[in-house]
Amino acid sequence: NAGVTQTPKFQVLKTGQSMTLQCAQDMNHEYMSWYRQDPGMGLRLIHYSVGAGITDQGEVPNGYNVSRSTTEDFPLRLLSAAPSQTSVYFCASSPYERYSNQPQHFGDGTRLSIL
Amino acid sequence: AQSVTQPDIHITVSEGASLELRCNYSYGATPYLFWYVQSPGQGLQLLLKYFSGDTLVQGIKGFEAEFKRSQSSFNLRKPSVHWSDAAEYFCAVGLYSSASKIIFGSGTRLSIRP
Repeated sequence: NAGVTQTPKFQVLKTGQSMTLQCAQDMNHEYMSWYRQDPGMGLRLIHYSVGAGITDQGEVPNGYNVSRSTTEDFPLRLLSAAPSQTSVYFCASSPYERYSNQPQHFGDGTRLSIL
Repeated sequence: AQSVTQPDIHITVSEGASLELRCNYSYGATPYLFWYVQSPGQGLQLLLKYFSGDTLVQGIKGFEAEFKRSQSSFNLRKPSVHWSDAAEYFCAVGLYSSASKIIFGSGTRLSIRP
């Protein structure tokens, strides 16, 4: 089925370990983004991309890196995991046009625990 | 700065009763507004969206929302809730006249009393 696929669904890391969360979409969407969801705080934007080779920071970018080498993939990297990064991570994609009215499609999330 | 406020953290309503979830936004230009629903352990599903035109928008699952510019509000309503409506609901606003870059409210958790 078409959509946004996130892997893994669950992961436990130790403090200081590195990790890449994968996100892939097969809808040829230009715009992709990563959010983290914490209790009582809704979803906060980490990084986003408006096309291959272009990325930018969102509200809470510290501790995370991204790259966008293809339209389909938008991995999120934690270089040195910290307990404060324990969260549920969501990837989303949409077409990107000014005045676009196409809403974002969300993946099912990755639940990450840092010990 | 742009922001979205959902003043109610948790609401409980009886099955069959009406529902209204509040959302206020702060954004200088014409906002793109959304309501998403998240069932436990799931991703987010779009309920409805507003871009322009008729200020009362209809969504899936019998939900509707009304955009009131004078009150900077976009409240979600349903005339009669079902037990399956128990979930977390997020209001969101799209920035820069685009549905792509959006910011979310903190969410309202809805519980249904049998």
